[in-house]
Amino acid sequence: DIQMTQSPSSLSASVGDRVTITCQASQDISDSLNWYQQKPGKAPKLLIYDASKLEIGVPSRFSGSGSGTDFSFTISGLQPEDIATYYCQQYDNVPFTFGPGTKVHVK
Amino acid sequence: QVQLVQSGGEVKKPGASVKVSCKTSGYMFNTYDITWLRQAPGQGLEWMGWISIYKGNTNYAKRLQGRITMTTDTSTSTAYMELRSLTSDDTAVYYCARDSGPYGSGRGRFDYWGQGTLVTVSS
Repeated sequence: DIQMTQSPSSLSASVGDRVTITCQASQDISDSLNWYQQKPGKAPKLLIYDASKLEIGVPSRFSGSGSGTDFSFTISGLQPEDIATYYCQQYDNVPFTFGPGTKVHVK
Repeated sequence: QVQLVQSGGEVKKPGASVKVSCKTSGYMFNTYDITWLRQAPGQGLEWMGWISIYKGNTNYAKRLQGRITMTTDTSTSTAYMELRSLTSDDTAVYYCARDSGPYGSGRGRFDYWGQGTLVTVSS
């Protein structure tokens, strides 16, 4: 199985800050990576697919980059409604696997 | 609009089975795969498998094979996931999700999700 790691596991930032989360795959997954946002008690929401493509309706302050084994996710200008846990997920190989998540807090 | 509505929470004893439903609407049910995932309390997300309705096949996570069955009822656009021989490790919120493209083109990208079903396994 492909192992996904994320860092940091949690972060605290101020409204308006630029926030970056990294995700690493245990083997080359090309650009087969998604990013999801999950708020407490809610289902995850797809934000980014194919490593860098913005899902329809998702604000442009969210972006993704990377390929191979190293990926990053950025919020350019954190908003109060962005408080959530963010997960990366690979879909290059079955079983599809998720990173452990990054919890984003507001200072 | 696309909606996936899951059945309500369940409490089961160890060794029992649970069947969760996922009623869909707002799109052509037969053309999009349905994936099931789960999330143990305070934990991350685990992929359980998918059912390809137009192909009529399934792909289950190896660690669940032998205990899991995914089915559909095309007359009601509903997907089902049954998990047998439950243990406390199966306590989790179970989600159905739609693959984002038709005919397998969106395999592994989940654009619409059900609201989740909490399954609690306790003696």
